[in-house]
Amino acid sequence: GENVEQHPSTLSVQEGDSAVIKCTYSDSASNYFPWYKQELGKGPQLIIDIRSNVGEKKDQRIAVTLNKTAKHFSLHITETQPEDSAVYFCAASKGSNYQLIWGAGTKLIIKP
Amino acid sequence: NAGVTQTPKFQVLKTGQSMTLQCAQDMNHEYMSWYRQDPGMGLRLIHYSVGAGITDQGEVPNGYNVSRSTTEDFPLRLLSAAPSQTSVYFCASRSGQGGEQYFGPGTRLTVT
Repeated sequence: GENVEQHPSTLSVQEGDSAVIKCTYSDSASNYFPWYKQELGKGPQLIIDIRSNVGEKKDQRIAVTLNKTAKHFSLHITETQPEDSAVYFCAASKGSNYQLIWGAGTKLIIKP
Repeated sequence: NAGVTQTPKFQVLKTGQSMTLQCAQDMNHEYMSWYRQDPGMGLRLIHYSVGAGITDQGEVPNGYNVSRSTTEDFPLRLLSAAPSQTSVYFCASRSGQGGEQYFGPGTRLTVT
């Protein structure tokens, strides 16, 4: 079955710098790759997603890139702000039911 | 819209007790899922439903039952609680194949 690995487990960056979180997946048939942000005490919330027919997608300060050949995808956050501090999860899915397999999460800490 | 609601927020059980975690959504979503979240492991799918009267198992279904008698409600039943079921449980819903998943606020369950 699908396996998703996420790195790093913790990332600390200076406010205003960029942050990059990376995920790899094992099943080449996976075709949907969302990123979720989870704030303390809340459920995860979708921040951006990408499908396998697209190599990159941007939404303001957030971008996701996908390399299907290498089976990895990354989340890029530019000009980081204190409110970006949270746990970020990547996930992958395939098939008609789009059941997600999740990475273990990255705790992003923005230092003032 | 209230979105996805879960009750209770916190629960402590003794080994062997049973209970039901409630989940409801008011977005008329077809798909609903239950996940458990454990430290360092991301989210793991317990059971899911693609519509009223239809349920299926996820990655970690043992010890849990679900039913879907209405579109709105998707309760999760623990038959005989075990310490290994100590976790945070999230319910999620989405409108269709590949749609954004909306998560509830979670239930923190401790089994002693």
